[in-house]
Amino acid sequence: SQTIHQWPATLVQPVGSPLSLECTVEGTSNPNLYWYRQAAGRGLQLLFYSIGIGQISSEVPQNLSASRPQDRQFILSSKKLLLSDSGFYLCAWGGFANTGELFFGEGSRLTVL
Amino acid sequence: QKEVEQNSGPLSVPEGAIASLNCTYSDRVSQSFFWYRQYSGKSPELIMSIYSNGDKEDGRFTAQLNKASQYVSLLIRDSQPSDSATYLCAVNMRSGYSTLTFGKGTMLLVSP
Repeated sequence: SQTIHQWPATLVQPVGSPLSLECTVEGTSNPNLYWYRQAAGRGLQLLFYSIGIGQISSEVPQNLSASRPQDRQFILSSKKLLLSDSGFYLCAWGGFANTGELFFGEGSRLTVL
Repeated sequence: QKEVEQNSGPLSVPEGAIASLNCTYSDRVSQSFFWYRQYSGKSPELIMSIYSNGDKEDGRFTAQLNKASQYVSLLIRDSQPSDSATYLCAVNMRSGYSTLTFGKGTMLLVSP
């Protein structure tokens, strides 16, 4: 079966500090991968998606970036965090059939102080 | 701007009743529609997907889609306290990708 791992699960970072969130997928190859953010009072927002190694599409301009160094690894980064970056970050896989379904990992909860 | 609207709730129903959750979307080219359940502090879990007009049933859940009215709903029969969660409606406008637009969710409370 397919499993999505995210880490760290929780982190508290000061404003201006860097960020690295990691996501790995097991049980599939060449998956479409996605980063979403759920901020307080807002719906889930698509940040980035990737259809393969080195291929990143950005949906929202911001101080975040994403990379896909390996087939089943997706990384979300920032050089300098803002207060507004606080939220619940979710990595997701698009399933085998690419029918639009999303399967989420456990999430990483970020608080920027 | 693409929007998905849901009543934030909470929607309160007694155990055993039918819970009805509604969602409207603004973009007529939307192609696929999804309902997710999210327990407090947890990640969303896919419970239903629907791609064509009409009803789709899966156990106690029924999804209903009306593309002409740009409306999608989720019915939960025989509601249980364990169904208490936030239900997210999501819409996809691009085939082949899961670039979903989510509503803010409706909180459902099922009382014993």
